[in-house]
Amino acid sequence: DGGITQSPKYLFRKEGQNVTLSCEQNLNHDAMYWYRQDPGQGLRLIYYSQIVNDFQKGDIAEGYSVSREKKESFPLTVTSAQKNPTAFYLCASSIGQGFEAFFGQGTRLTVV
Amino acid sequence: GIQVEQSPPDLILQEGANSTLRCNFSDSVNNLQWFHQNPWGQLINLFYIPSGTKQNGRLSATTVATERYSLLYISSSQTTDSGVYFCALFYGQNFVFGPGTRLSVLP
Repeated sequence: DGGITQSPKYLFRKEGQNVTLSCEQNLNHDAMYWYRQDPGQGLRLIYYSQIVNDFQKGDIAEGYSVSREKKESFPLTVTSAQKNPTAFYLCASSIGQGFEAFFGQGTRLTVV
Repeated sequence: GIQVEQSPPDLILQEGANSTLRCNFSDSVNNLQWFHQNPWGQLINLFYIPSGTKQNGRLSATTVATERYSLLYISSSQTTDSGVYFCALFYGQNFVFGPGTRLSVLP
């Protein structure tokens, strides 16, 4: 089935640790996005990539890093510099700018 | 940047009732989407509706881009319709989301 797969579904991180969230798509989409959602809030853009080997910071990029070495993969690393990483993380993709976006099921990250 | 507003922020309905959700945006764009976020957090695509009207079962949507608004209609609501409804627009180089409408459908 075509779609976007995020893993893991739940992730627990100790303070001071880096963790990486996976996002894979088999839709042959060029553009991929990472959003953060806090409880009861809307979505805020962390990073986006319109093409392989290129990515741009979003509104809340501090404490996060990404890579886009393959078209189908856009992993997000939450570093120890992110002071409040507990949140729900959503990955999306679209065929290109301005086209319909599709989302993965999300990863719920908790700092313990 | 573009501003996206949604109303009402919260809506409580009895099962079987109809409702209209509104999305206003501050600039002319032609790529509006509606999503439903279910209780598990997943964002489900409802409509990609740059303009005009579309229908899918009990749901329909209308976008009037020249007047900068879109409406989502839910008829004969069911408890499974509960969740948060977001509209989103592609602006600049990424998607901008409205704050959402939280819908609760009571049995």
